[in-house]
Amino acid sequence: RKEVEQDPGPFNVPEGATVAFNCTYSNSASQSFFWYRQDCRKEPKLLMSVYSSGNEDGRFTAQLNRASQYISLLIRDSKLSDSATYLCVVNGGQAGTALIFGKGTTLSVSS
Amino acid sequence: DADVTQTPRNRITKTGKRIMLECSQTKGHDRMYWYRQDPGLGLRLIYYSFDVKDINKGEISDGYSVSRQAQAKFSLSLESAIPNQTALYFCATSEDRYYGYTFGSGTRLTVV
Repeated sequence: RKEVEQDPGPFNVPEGATVAFNCTYSNSASQSFFWYRQDCRKEPKLLMSVYSSGNEDGRFTAQLNRASQYISLLIRDSKLSDSATYLCVVNGGQAGTALIFGKGTTLSVSS
Repeated sequence: DADVTQTPRNRITKTGKRIMLECSQTKGHDRMYWYRQDPGLGLRLIYYSFDVKDINKGEISDGYSVSRQAQAKFSLSLESAIPNQTALYFCATSEDRYYGYTFGSGTRLTVV
C-alpha cells in the first residue's frame, strides 16, 4: 500500500460546483495532516492543516478520520481560480521523519 | 525577499557535469529539505536536515549529496549529472514536524 494515496483526477467541474477530494494514508502513527495547493510549474503552497475535529477556512473544509486513515477536502462554490493540483500530505509519524506527499488530485473549474 | 530562495531558477547541464543547487531561507527554521518532482511521481524526498550537524537521506538520495553550510543555507549537489535527474527541484523549510513546509520557487534542471 502506498503511503499517501489520492485519486489523480482530473476533476472537471463548472463554476459554483461543490467538489470533494479524498486521501488515504498508511502510517497509523502519523500526527500531522495538510492539504497543499500547487499551480502548474509552481511551488506547493499550504492550503490548510487538517485537525481531528475537522476545520473550515472559507469555502474549504477539511476532515480527518483517524480510524479509517482517511482525509478529505471539500471545496464549495468553486471558482475558476481554484483550478490547480491539490496535494494530500502527512508526516512520517516519527520525530525524525519528513512530510510525505501524495501525487495530487487535479481540479479544473470551467465557466 | 522570498522566505525561501532557490538558485538557479533554471539550468541546463550536460551529462557528467557537477552541478550545485542552492537554497537559503530567512525564516530562522532549523529544518530544511530537498525534494524533486517528476510528472506522475509527485514530490520525492532527496535529503533533509534538522540542524547544521544533522543530515539524513531521503527516499531517493543516490546520485545526490548535500551540504548544510549554516542554519539558513542548504545546498544540493549532483556530482555527475545524468539525464534521469532532469526534474523540478524544490527546497523547503519548516519550524518543526507539526508544521507545514514553506517551499522555494523551485529549480528546473535539465540534463542533456
